[in-house]
Amino acid sequence: GENVEQHPSTLSVQEGDSAVIKCTYSDSASNYFPWYKQELGKRPQLIIDIRSNVGEKKDQRIAVTLNKTAKHFSLHITETQPEDSAVYFCAANGNTGKLIFGQGTTLQVKP
Amino acid sequence: DSGVTQTPKHLITATGQRVTLRCSPRSGDLSVYWYQQSLDQGLQFLIQYYNGEERAKGNILERFSAQQFPDLHSELNLSSLELGDSALYFCASSVGTASSSGNTIYFGEGSWLTVV
Repeated sequence: GENVEQHPSTLSVQEGDSAVIKCTYSDSASNYFPWYKQELGKRPQLIIDIRSNVGEKKDQRIAVTLNKTAKHFSLHITETQPEDSAVYFCAANGNTGKLIFGQGTTLQVKP
Repeated sequence: DSGVTQTPKHLITATGQRVTLRCSPRSGDLSVYWYQQSLDQGLQFLIQYYNGEERAKGNILERFSAQQFPDLHSELNLSSLELGDSALYFCASSVGTASSSGNTIYFGEGSWLTVV
């Protein structure tokens, strides 16, 4: 079945360092890979997404890379700030139109 | 504000009871998705509707049901509630589905359900 694995489950970095979160997906038909940020008790908010026709996308301090052959994609946050602390979810679309989420990564940025 | 409206925001009810959660999608969005998030857990896909029809089903319990009405709002019905059903229930919407065109999916603020 459709599955998305996300690692690590927790990540602690020093302010200013980079953070990398990795995901793998199982459905080779997946062609849309969004990343969401969720603060405690709040709704998930889209921060960046990538479609299968590109290998990399960047938006200021965040970037996402996609390797369709290996079926994995990664989120890169550079120059991390305390306000980047949150839970990050990767997702991939299934062939029926639903969005399957990874288990989440709790990122802590220490001042 | 994502434009997705969920009510109620908070709900406390007893075991064995039935509740209905309501969702109004963003204007123009035809797809509605329901997700369950338990404490310290991820986002578990429950069910998706597109323009009134069920499109995809996840690990939704038989005690749970949903529907999307002609005006595109959706309701999630949870019955014979158990303590383990306590969770944050999110509704999300998109213009189309996430399969063909990769439409952005926007989440509502969620409905906190506590079963006591």
